[in-house]
Amino acid sequence: GAVVSQHPSWVICKSGTSVKIECRSLDFQATTMFWYRQFPKQSLMLMATSNEGSKATYEQGVEKDKFLINHASLTLSTLTVTSAHPEDSSFYICSASTLGGTEAFFGQGTRLTVV
Amino acid sequence: LAKTTQPISMDSYEGQEVNITCSHNNIATNDYITWYQQFPSQGPRFIIQGYKTKVTNEVASLFIPADRKSSTLSLPRVSLSDTAVYYCLVGDRGTASKLTFGTGTRLQVTL
Repeated sequence: GAVVSQHPSWVICKSGTSVKIECRSLDFQATTMFWYRQFPKQSLMLMATSNEGSKATYEQGVEKDKFLINHASLTLSTLTVTSAHPEDSSFYICSASTLGGTEAFFGQGTRLTVV
Repeated sequence: LAKTTQPISMDSYEGQEVNITCSHNNIATNDYITWYQQFPSQGPRFIIQGYKTKVTNEVASLFIPADRKSSTLSLPRVSLSDTAVYYCLVGDRGTASKLTFGTGTRLQVTL
């Protein structure tokens, strides 16, 4: 199947700093990628839809100025958590599908810890 | 997107068959049923997808009754490595990636 790769796998940052997470489709092009957040023992929650060449679409309750999404190419989307705080500590996961595909391919996730 | 209901957790012994049932009473005509597996600290992985009747692949079977208001994921002869959370999702096949995850079923397999 298609491969989606995230980087980094884990990151620790100080409160008030910004962190960038990359999501790459390694062997296919993805005009749309999705970002999810998952807290411990909870399910995945869709945060936003990343659209290549245009603005991201955010789900209700997700602050677009805090979670900056850039999808500058057909194989790369980035999520930047700005002015991170301890409550932003979570597992962030991206996904994408091949054109016309019916299954989602997920990255391995990024564990963010804000101290 | 149709809401799904699954058992929060299940326990099984290694070598047994495990059946996880998901209810989706409000499934729409165009909706497909898809199951994903997630190990701790990893992204979900696609297991199987179906529309009606039965679908089988190398890792699981999916049983869907005629009314499509429920579905059952069947894992034959589970092993310890099948311990994971299993999510049932329902949605238009065209929205393969924009997924609404329910609570999932936490399967614990022991010796």
